[in-house]
Amino acid sequence: QKEVEQNSGPLSVPEGAIASLNCTYSDRGSQSFFWYRQYSGKSPELIMFIYSNGDKEDGRFTAQLNKASQYVSLLIRDSQPSDSATYLCAFMDSNYQLIWGAGTKLIIKP
Amino acid sequence: ETGVTQTPRHLVMGMTNKKSLKCEQHLGHNAMYWYKQSAKKPLELMFVYNFKEQTENNSVPSRFSPECPNSSHLFLHLHTLQPEDSALYLCASSQDRFGGLKTGELFFGEGSRLTVL
Repeated sequence: QKEVEQNSGPLSVPEGAIASLNCTYSDRGSQSFFWYRQYSGKSPELIMFIYSNGDKEDGRFTAQLNKASQYVSLLIRDSQPSDSATYLCAFMDSNYQLIWGAGTKLIIKP
Repeated sequence: ETGVTQTPRHLVMGMTNKKSLKCEQHLGHNAMYWYKQSAKKPLELMFVYNFKEQTENNSVPSRFSPECPNSSHLFLHLHTLQPEDSALYLCASSQDRFGGLKTGELFFGEGSRLTVL
């Protein structure tokens, strides 16, 4: 059974601090990993993808991938109240299917 | 109109009713998907269409019946649903069925919130 594990939260972070969201996955053959953000009542939207070990930075967002540990994380620097949302982690399996986590709810407190 | 639009946004139906959900994408994509999203559960892939042909049916009960008349439109026909079918139903599209698509980006509609009484 291919799975993605995420802490459901809520994760509460003060405004301006670094928010760290974590995800583990079961399929060692996974090559591509994704972070989607879903605001309450809205649709998920892709914010980061990564397929190489190490870090990938895009503005205030950094995705980190460790394939040996089957671990992917998302760091949000200088957190803003507008970052409050549910963050969904997903990986693509060998059949090009996206396997999703249940999401972590992030709350940024002013 | 742009992106992926879904109608209706909210639907309440009895267990004996027949209703349909509609999805339309204006992105020129070739693949369309139906997902079910329940609280605190991962997104569940229901159906996939690629170039109007159904390529996947993830063991979805027959009370859910998809229809894809062209690459821009996708329907989900509902009949004799159960209360446990109450959820947010999300339509999504992508350039193609992921094959060779490095980013794996799906574009989602805002969903149809279904309540079965």
